[in-house]
Amino acid sequence: DIQMTQSPSTLSASVGDRVTITCRASQSISSWLAWYQQKPGKAPKLLIYKASSLESGVPSRFSGSGSGTEFTLTISSLQPDDFATYYCQQYNSYPITFGQGTRLEIK
Amino acid sequence: QVQLVQSGAEVKKPGASVKVSCKASGYTFTGYYMHWVRQAPGQGLEWMGWINPNSGGTNYAQKFQGRVTMTRDTSISTAYMELSRLRSDDTAVYYCARDWIPTTVTYWFDPWGQGTLVTVSS
Repeated sequence: DIQMTQSPSTLSASVGDRVTITCRASQSISSWLAWYQQKPGKAPKLLIYKASSLESGVPSRFSGSGSGTEFTLTISSLQPDDFATYYCQQYNSYPITFGQGTRLEIK
Repeated sequence: QVQLVQSGAEVKKPGASVKVSCKASGYTFTGYYMHWVRQAPGQGLEWMGWINPNSGGTNYAQKFQGRVTMTRDTSISTAYMELSRLRSDDTAVYYCARDWIPTTVTYWFDPWGQGTLVTVSS
């Protein structure tokens, strides 16, 4: 199975900050990576697919980059609604696997 | 709007089975693959498999092979996930999630159902 490792596990930041979350794959997954946002008690929401394509309706302050084994999710200017847990997901090969999550909390 | 509405919470004993439903609305049910993903309390996400609502074809994660069955009823636009021989570590929120593009499998999941908590306890 491809292991997805996110860092950091927890990130404390303030409104207006620029933050970056990293996701590393245990082997190359080309650009077959998605990012999701999950708020407590809610289902995940798709933010980015194919590593850097923004899902319709997602604010442009979210961006994704990377290929191969290293990927990043960047939020250019944190808004109050962005405090949540973020997951990366690979879909290069079975089984589909997710990172362990990065909790973004208010500093 | 596109919506997936799941059945309510379940409490089961070890060794029993559970069947969770996912009713779709707002789009052509047979046009999009449906996935199931679970999340144990305080843990990450785990993909279980998909069903093609048009053909009924399925693809299960190896971990769940032999214990999971995904079916659908096209007359009521509903997908089902049944998990058998339940163990305590099957306690989780189970989500259905529609694939993003019609007629093919992309593994981009959007939207998701609201989740169904399944508790396995003696």
